[in-house]
Amino acid sequence: GENVEQHPSTLSVQEGDSAVIKCTYSDSASNYFPWYKQELGKGPQLIIDIRSNVGEKKDQRIAVTLNKTAKHFSLHITETQPEDSAVYFCAATGFMNRDDKIIFGKGTRLHILP
Amino acid sequence: NAGVTQTPKFRVLKTGQSMTLLCAQDMNHEYMYWYRQDPGMGLRLIHYSVGEGTTAKGEVPDGYNVSRLKKQNFLLGLESAAPSQTSVYFCATRILSRTEAFFGQGTRLTVV
Repeated sequence: GENVEQHPSTLSVQEGDSAVIKCTYSDSASNYFPWYKQELGKGPQLIIDIRSNVGEKKDQRIAVTLNKTAKHFSLHITETQPEDSAVYFCAATGFMNRDDKIIFGKGTRLHILP
Repeated sequence: NAGVTQTPKFRVLKTGQSMTLLCAQDMNHEYMYWYRQDPGMGLRLIHYSVGEGTTAKGEVPDGYNVSRLKKQNFLLGLESAAPSQTSVYFCATRILSRTEAFFGQGTRLTVV
């Protein structure tokens, strides 16, 4: 089955700097890679995603890159702000496969330092 | 439009007791998932369902059972609770044709 590794587990960056979180996946059948943000006391919410036929996707200050050959994908947050402090999860799934479980990484706790 | 509602929000159980967690959605989504979240372990899939009347095992199914008798409800049962099942449980739903999953607010369960 699918296995998703996520690094680092904790990340502290100065406000205004960039943050990068990296994930690897194991199942070649996975074709959809979402990123979720979880604020304290809440359920995770989707912030950006990428499909396997795309190498990079951007949405304002956040971007995701995918290297399908190496089975790596990364989340990039630029010009970090205090409200970016949260736990971030990467995930992998086989979208539109009958058995498309969503498997998550272990999460990265991001601290934005003033 | 409530989205995804989990009941209860908090619960304390004694070892050996049973309980059922309810996930209710009003979005007509086909897919429903149950996850548990533990410190340092992320979100681990317990069971999931791709449609009414169907369920499947996830990464950590032991000690749990599920049922999806109605499309809008996904029940997670603990027949004989153990302290190792102390966790925060999240339900998520997804529509077949779209990629985004929507999560409930979570149920914090403590087994003493």
